[in-house]
Amino acid sequence: EAGVAQSPRYKIIEKRQSVAFWCNPISGHATLYWYQQILGQGPKLLIQFQNNGVVDDSQLPKDRFSAERLKGVDSTLKIQPAKLEDSAVYLCASSLVPVARQPQHFGDGTRLSIL
Amino acid sequence: GESVGLHLPTLSVQEGDNSIINCAYSNSASDYFIWYKQESGKGPQFIIDIRSNMDKRQGQRVTVLLNKTVKHLSLQIAATQPGDSAVYFCAENIGSSGSARQLTFGSGTQLTVLP
Repeated sequence: EAGVAQSPRYKIIEKRQSVAFWCNPISGHATLYWYQQILGQGPKLLIQFQNNGVVDDSQLPKDRFSAERLKGVDSTLKIQPAKLEDSAVYLCASSLVPVARQPQHFGDGTRLSIL
Repeated sequence: GESVGLHLPTLSVQEGDNSIINCAYSNSASDYFIWYKQESGKGPQFIIDIRSNMDKRQGQRVTVLLNKTVKHLSLQIAATQPGDSAVYFCAENIGSSGSARQLTFGSGTQLTVLP
């Protein structure tokens, strides 16, 4: 089966600019996650969707980050305005269902560099 | 060893030897654990998982051991190969009511396989 698709693979912007990332989960996966992975650290959950509804966005910096999954499939994550500390890899993951003990499957991420 | 909160940055092993990567977790409510492998420039790749009602689970060349008494998890890789060189993360999933089940990742262990 096709894996989680993310684009772009790399993005370089200046601070205070805006940026958007796109994710297409594995077909049939109802749950979608966005993670931030800073160099040398493990991924940190930003937001979790179940179909097109937000389940958990407690760690999303809502003053600058937003995410949506309008039709319950693809998702976009946006940062506006970007700060230097936002330099990281942004990973998208999906799983069949959230409540059962199912592994999350990850895309290869978007590497964001803020100048 | 690695813990969700602390980390052992690197582990070097000779090709053909067995590798053991350790992980300590702190939340006794965690009921599901996953090991991921992350190669440079790629997203985390699922290796093996284990539920809290099990002590051991085996896959192809990998074994995960869970000791709930001391809240310790380990990943054993048999006959380590150069392709096993990567960062390995353990992640814990805390059971909760409803649909939000958050994965918490450790900082990772860099495994280097020496020729």
